[in-house]
Formats: sequence, C-alpha cells, structure tokens
Amino acid sequence: EMQLVESGGGLVQPGGSLRLSCAASGVTFSAYWMSWVRQAPGKGLEWVANIKHDGSETYYVDSLKDRFTISRDNAKNSLYLQMNSLRAEDTAVYYCASPRDYDQGYFDSWGQGTLVTVSS
Amino acid sequence: SYVLTQPPSVSVAPGKTARITCGGNNIGSKSVHWYQQKPGQAPVLVIYYDTDRPSGIPERFSGSNSGNTATLTISRVEAGDEADYCCQVWDTSSDPLVVFGGGTKLTVL
Repeated sequence: EMQLVESGGGLVQPGGSLRLSCAASGVTFSAYWMSWVRQAPGKGLEWVANIKHDGSETYYVDSLKDRFTISRDNAKNSLYLQMNSLRAEDTAVYYCASPRDYDQGYFDSWGQGTLVTVSS
Repeated sequence: SYVLTQPPSVSVAPGKTARITCGGNNIGSKSVHWYQQKPGQAPVLVIYYDTDRPSGIPERFSGSNSGNTATLTISRVEAGDEADYCCQVWDTSSDPLVVFGGGTKLTVL
C-alpha cells in the first residue's frame, strides 16, 4: 500500500511562490501516475494536476496551468508542485494522491494534506 | 466542462438508510467513485467503479449508477458515518480531466 506524506505548506504573501513536496513509500513509486488535489476551506475537492510514471506527460486544470507545475523525482520517490504568483483563492489544503486505472479510475491513496495560506 | 451535482446535505436517523445522489449528464456511461471525508482528515474511498467496495469498507455501503444519476446508499446508518461524501469521475473530453462533486454533508440525527 502506498503511503504519502506532503510537506512544504505554509503562509505566503500574494504574488509569492511555494513548492510542495510529497514523499511516497510502500510501493515502486515510478510505476504510478500521481496527482495533486486541493480543497479550499469549507469547499469541495478540486483536481489540480496529474503526472505520468516517468514524468513525460503532465496535465493541469486550465485555470492553473500557467502558474502551477507538477514534477517528480523517481530516484527520490517524491512528487512536487511548484506554485507561482499565488493568490488568495489558492488558499487550500493540498493533497497528493495516486489514481488507479488512469483516465477512469479512483484515488485510493491520499496523503494527509498540507495547508497553504495566501495572505498578506 | 462536466459538472457533478450533489445535494449539500442529507439527514438520516440512526439505523435508517441514507441515499446520496450525484447528478451528471449521462453519468451512467461513466465510472463513478465515492469518497468519505471526516473533518480534518483526507478523503477515504468507499465505493469505486459504481458498485465495488474496497476492503475494510462495511457492506452497508453500496452504490449504483444509471442514466443521469449515481447514488451512494448507506444502510443501517451509524453515528460514525457522519461525514462529507463526494463523487468523482473522469472527463477526458474536456477540462478538468478529473471532476469531483461538490460534496454532501451526511448528518446522523
């Protein structure tokens, strides 16, 4: 079973940048698609981005693709999310997760989440 | 973009049956997955591929999907079932690729 632990969240000023990390264990990380999903306070889940096993393909929700970058380092069993030009509406808990059966499947592994707060 | 519509809240007495709906255009043609989320916790998968139950999820949880509505059914509801429930599908034809419903707060009276 995949275990995921996010880190890197915190308080950042509007316009600032932050890099989130997600450490994976328990499986062969390089065999799995990975995703970031976020949840604003009191709101529902919102998918952010996906990355293929080898990092060769990435997909983003259109509204974030110019500011957010998903990446991975399979040698370090790690997933990343670089977030630039942050806005107040980016305030959310950010989860890393792994989708099964890409393009139709479910997320059965989730991290505990890391809180990003964008505020002056 | 594909939209999943859930009622904001559902209330049910202990021991009764709760039904949480997830509406979407021809959702019956898609695979629907359901998550339970308790305050301060990450989502937990409770139903996948419309009707399948992960190991460790009680048989009281079941799902169905047809036409324009998918339904999560929780039988013999317990106090511990009180949580937010959210449906999820993929829509590879538009943005976003992965779609979540807005979530339904299940209250056990």
